[in-house]
Amino acid sequence: AQSVTQLGSHVSVSEGALVLLRCNYSSSVPPYLFWYVQYPNQGLQLLLKYTSAATLVKGINGFEAEFKKSETSFHLTKPSAHMSDAAEYFCAVSDLGNQFYFGTGTSLTVIP
Amino acid sequence: EAQVTQNPRYLITVTGKKLTVTCSQNMNHEYMSWYRQDPGLGLRQIYYSMNVEVTDKGDVPEGYKVSRKEKRNFPLILESPSPNQTSLYFCASSPNRDRYNEQFFGPGTRLTVL
Repeated sequence: AQSVTQLGSHVSVSEGALVLLRCNYSSSVPPYLFWYVQYPNQGLQLLLKYTSAATLVKGINGFEAEFKKSETSFHLTKPSAHMSDAAEYFCAVSDLGNQFYFGTGTSLTVIP
Repeated sequence: EAQVTQNPRYLITVTGKKLTVTCSQNMNHEYMSWYRQDPGLGLRQIYYSMNVEVTDKGDVPEGYKVSRKEKRNFPLILESPSPNQTSLYFCASSPNRDRYNEQFFGPGTRLTVL
């Protein structure tokens, strides 16, 4: 069975500081991994995804994530936080049966 | 505009009163799915459908029904809602059954069951 663990339900960073949101996964098959962002009162939208082509994945809005098989991790980073990055972030994994598993989410606060 | 629409956006109902939340997509997507979002639990998949007349249970299907009679529509039915089904519900779609596809989410339906 697949599962996703997001460490830290709330993360606060200062504007301009590094953003690091953690995601660890458990998967019995080669994983496909996703990061989605949810702005207040909106649905989710894709930030980036890992599909085995490259371990460092670049997404929208300056975000990137690195797939580390040995650590079963897919942490999300951004070098310099912007006020507009304040949102909830979800890591997800899909299984062979097309079922999706989401983490519990990390709420990012950016302090001016 | 390519989108997933859900109706209603907000609904307050009482225990036991059957309700349907509609979901429609205009992207000709084969795969559609329903999720519920609860604080501290993230998103959990209720049901998904890989094509017309094909539906499968997700992680939390109890108390819900779905149907996929047309490609564009995937309604979620609560035949006898209970307070523990109070939640934020999202419909999503993706082009096909390939598990690496991005899912496109609707705006959400906030349901309160009294």
